[in-house]
Amino acid sequence: LAKTTQPISMDSYEGQEVNITCSHNNIATNDYITWYQQFPSQGPRFIIQGYKTKVTNEVASLFIPADRKSSTLSLPRVSLSDTAVYYCLVGVQGDMRFGAGTRLTVKP
Amino acid sequence: GAVVSQHPSRVICKSGTSVKIECRSLDFQATTMFWYRQFPKQSLMLMATSNEGSKATYEQGVEKDKFLINHASLTLSTLTVTSAHPEDSSFYICSASGGAWGNQPQHFGDGTRLSIL
Repeated sequence: LAKTTQPISMDSYEGQEVNITCSHNNIATNDYITWYQQFPSQGPRFIIQGYKTKVTNEVASLFIPADRKSSTLSLPRVSLSDTAVYYCLVGVQGDMRFGAGTRLTVKP
Repeated sequence: GAVVSQHPSRVICKSGTSVKIECRSLDFQATTMFWYRQFPKQSLMLMATSNEGSKATYEQGVEKDKFLINHASLTLSTLTVTSAHPEDSSFYICSASGGAWGNQPQHFGDGTRLSIL
């Protein structure tokens, strides 16, 4: 089971780009990398998922280097409403565990 | 798409009561559902995984007789906390996935805040 390591917390300001990196040194060949966002008293919300290289959707980009031992979630031009906890999960369905997550605080 | 509905959102009840929480996938068939609990300012902890029509697989340390899981259809799973006590007070969250492979992400309900008096 691939263990993930993320920064405990990050601060940013409105309008900035935020990059959150997750380390997963023992990622397995079949593992996918999935990022979730969680607001207080709500369930996590799916942000993005990838296997290798770069994935982009309407809210974020996910950068995965060739060795796949880390991944970076990029949030363009954050706003106050992006203040939340962000989790990086690595594995296959049914075999994923939540790490501690990164608490992102966006300041005005 | 991929909406998961969890009900109720909040329960307050007396010690010794059994509480049932429902998790429904509204617009997709959930081959696998997951149940988590989360304590304040902590991460989600997986309690059990269930596949439709099969017995749930519980994580180590989770009492299967305490937390009864039924996954009777491809759109509904229930978690029953039997004879709940104050230490069972927590935020319970379900998720559902429509695929059998790793590239099918989990979609989460909005959680149930359980408070046992």
